[in-house]
Amino acid sequence: GDSVTQMEGPVTLSEEAFLTINCTYTATGYPSLFWYVQYPGEGLQLLLKATKADDKGSNKGFEATYRKETTSFHLEKGSVQVSDSAVYFCALTLNSGGSNYKLTFGKGTLLTVNP
Amino acid sequence: GAGVSQTPSNKVTEKGKYVELRCDPISGHTALYWYRQSLGQGPEFLIYFQGTGAADDSGLPNDRFFAVRPEGSVSTLKIQRTERGDSAVYLCASSSSGLFTGELFFGEGSRLTVL
Repeated sequence: GDSVTQMEGPVTLSEEAFLTINCTYTATGYPSLFWYVQYPGEGLQLLLKATKADDKGSNKGFEATYRKETTSFHLEKGSVQVSDSAVYFCALTLNSGGSNYKLTFGKGTLLTVNP
Repeated sequence: GAGVSQTPSNKVTEKGKYVELRCDPISGHTALYWYRQSLGQGPEFLIYFQGTGAADDSGLPNDRFFAVRPEGSVSTLKIQRTERGDSAVYLCASSSSGLFTGELFFGEGSRLTVL
């Protein structure tokens, strides 16, 4: 079945450090890929997305590139801030088969940024 | 507020009891979703409503779980004869109608603990 694998956390960084959170996927067909973020005390919210191979999603200084050849969608940020501390979820939906509304999530990666 | 509202935020119950969890989506959102997040796992799809009807209930784990959305707005997830394995955070999300973009708006969840 379709699945998403994220690097295990927790990840602890100092402010201004470079961040990478790895995400790989297995899917039948051609998925759309997403990163969702959950800040403390809040609901999950969409951070960025990419809908086809080689697309780059970006938002709030975060980026991720849809790599079909490596089935990956790694999240990166050049300089993290304390306010980036949150749980990050990689997710996919399938663009075919009539169930493109159904998100499949990874387990999440807890990021803590220290001042 | 204008976000997705879920009640109760926490529910502790005894094995075998009946539980109802409520979701109030963003006004005007016709699509509503329920997900379940067990400890250490990402959210897992339960059911999807488009308007008043359940368009896809394939994620409901068994017939003890049922969800309704009688007027196309508020939804209630109902769990009969609760078991300890039902303990999880139940997440509700909504989105606007039309082409699915992958952006769901999540509530903070209802944490269910079955003793």
